[in-house]
Amino acid sequence: SQTIHQWPATLVQPVGSPLSLECTVEGTSNPNLYWYRQAAGRGLQLLFYSVGIGQISSEVPQNLSASRPQDRQFILSSKKLLLSDSGFYLCAWSVWVETNYGYTFGSGTRLTVV
Amino acid sequence: DAKTTQPPSMDCAEGRAANLPCNHSTISGNEYVYWYRQIHSQGPQYIIHGLKNNETNEMASLIITEDRKSSTLILPHATLRDTAVYYCIVREGYSTLTFGKGTMLLVSP
Repeated sequence: SQTIHQWPATLVQPVGSPLSLECTVEGTSNPNLYWYRQAAGRGLQLLFYSVGIGQISSEVPQNLSASRPQDRQFILSSKKLLLSDSGFYLCAWSVWVETNYGYTFGSGTRLTVV
Repeated sequence: DAKTTQPPSMDCAEGRAANLPCNHSTISGNEYVYWYRQIHSQGPQYIIHGLKNNETNEMASLIITEDRKSSTLILPHATLRDTAVYYCIVREGYSTLTFGKGTMLLVSP
């Protein structure tokens, strides 16, 4: 069966520190992968998506970056965190199943920048 | 521009049907209607999707009007665990999922 792993579940980081969040997918090949962020009281915002190894599309300009070093691994990074980077970060993958190009989301990482 | 319009909140008594409306008056012929929900502090969960026919699965039913300008998600027997934000999303093919503000459904005992 297909599963998505995302860690850590919670993270508290000081302003100016680096960030690395990892997401891995099992049970599927060549998925599209996504990073979303949900700030407190706000909606889900798509940050990055990837259709293949080394292929990253950015939806919003910011001090975050993403990388896809392997087919089923997606990493979200920052060199220097800002207070505004706090939020709930979600990784997702998608593949076609009949007529459904649905997304499966991970359990998320709650990041607090202090 | 928002593609869908949903009420910000709704209440439902446990055991009753929850009917969540969504307006999508500018939907194009090849766009599907998707419904996801997000329980507090969890990732969104796929519920159901449809193009023009009504659809039903183990979670819910989706009723799409004949002109496709609106739809209703029906949870036939709401439970406390159905308390969540419900998102109605219009998209075609491989397009990315764009979430609006959704409807906060509160199911009460």
